[in-house]
Amino acid sequence: AQTVTQSQPEMSVQEAETVTLSCTYDTSESDYYLFWYKQPPSRQMILVIRQEAYKQQNATENRFSVNFQKAAKSFSLKISDSQLGDAAMYFCAHTGANSKLTFGKGITLSVRP
Amino acid sequence: DAGVIQSPRHEVTEMGQEVTLRCKPISGHDYLFWYRQTMMRGLELLIYFNNNVPIDDSGMPEDRFSAKMPNASFSTLKIQPSEPRDSAVYFCASSYGTGPNEQFFGPGTRLTVL
Repeated sequence: AQTVTQSQPEMSVQEAETVTLSCTYDTSESDYYLFWYKQPPSRQMILVIRQEAYKQQNATENRFSVNFQKAAKSFSLKISDSQLGDAAMYFCAHTGANSKLTFGKGITLSVRP
Repeated sequence: DAGVIQSPRHEVTEMGQEVTLRCKPISGHDYLFWYRQTMMRGLELLIYFNNNVPIDDSGMPEDRFSAKMPNASFSTLKIQPSEPRDSAVYFCASSYGTGPNEQFFGPGTRLTVL
């Protein structure tokens, strides 16, 4: 079974600083995909970034980047130059051959002005 | 495109009543997913469809829950009879294919069962 673990329930970052959100996962599959979703107070789920497991290069989307460590089954999200609008709940998720997205419990990120 | 549309946005009902949640996926998407979000259990996949056919309903909590997709542009999730423990936010999502393809989520329906 696939599992996704986000062990930090909350984090806080100063505006303009950098923060890293941790995620580990467990899977028996060799071909899979990893995602970070953002859920602001509006509760809309928004895709932040995705990573294909077969790609060694870490994905980057503007201020968002990942540190994908396949052997360690680790998939952390780095947010650079944090902005007030980044305050939200962030979910790490995994999908494999069965097409099912498995989510972690999420982490609440607050941004201090 | 208007995105994934869900209705109603909020539903308050009494225990024992039937509840029907509705979803219109993004046009052209061939996968549709129903999720439930609670504080205790987080986001859980309930069921998903491919080309209107239910593929995996192993996440459906019990027989009180049922889902249908009569055509490519409409799906329902029904709870009958509802119980207070069904109170949650229910999301519908759709995608074109799976794998790395993004699932687009609707705004969710907040269900409260009294």
